[in-house]
Amino acid sequence: EAQVTQNPRYLITVTGKKLTVTCSQNMNHEYMSWYRQDPGLGLRQIYYSMNVEVTDKGDVPEGYKVSRKEKRNFPLILESPSPNQTSLYFCASSWADEQYFGPGTRLTVT
Amino acid sequence: GENVEQHPSTLSVQEGDSAVIKCTYSDSASNYFPWYKQELGKRPQLIIDIRSNVGEKKDQRIAVTLNKTAKHFSLHITETQPEDSAVYFCAAKVLGGGADGLTFGKGTHLIIQP
Repeated sequence: EAQVTQNPRYLITVTGKKLTVTCSQNMNHEYMSWYRQDPGLGLRQIYYSMNVEVTDKGDVPEGYKVSRKEKRNFPLILESPSPNQTSLYFCASSWADEQYFGPGTRLTVT
Repeated sequence: GENVEQHPSTLSVQEGDSAVIKCTYSDSASNYFPWYKQELGKRPQLIIDIRSNVGEKKDQRIAVTLNKTAKHFSLHITETQPEDSAVYFCAAKVLGGGADGLTFGKGTHLIIQP
């Protein structure tokens, strides 16, 4: 089954404790993105990757890192999480047009 | 960069009536305009999209119209049903452009009243 998976689905952590949210897709898509969703702000792009070893900043990259060592995986790294990074995070992949979203990761930073 | 404005933020309609959600975009180079539906607790899913070489596209009860000159596009849902209740997002992008990500509107919460 074609899909995008994310782990974990829910995470509660404390300020400053490094964390990684994994994202994997099995559709051989070249393009992958991370978005955060906040009430009233819609979906905002954090980082995107056009291919292996090619990543670039989206609209809200501060406080986040990504890597793309393999085509199928695109982890999101928060080196020192802060409460303002409490949000719902979606990974997405695409070939040309339609973006396929993962199930989301709800992150709470206390 | 691209900026997408979406209105209204909340829309309440009676079951069976039509609903219209409108979006404007700023980048005249954008040529792909998808609409996503997000049910409570779920991921956004594509429901319809349109490219800039057509002015209208229909799929059963939903349709999207595009006015390139005015840089706006709209989602039309006819004969609304309870399962249409969700948050709808419009988006815009340049297909084949350097940045693959979509720019989303802030969303419209559609409420279908029984």
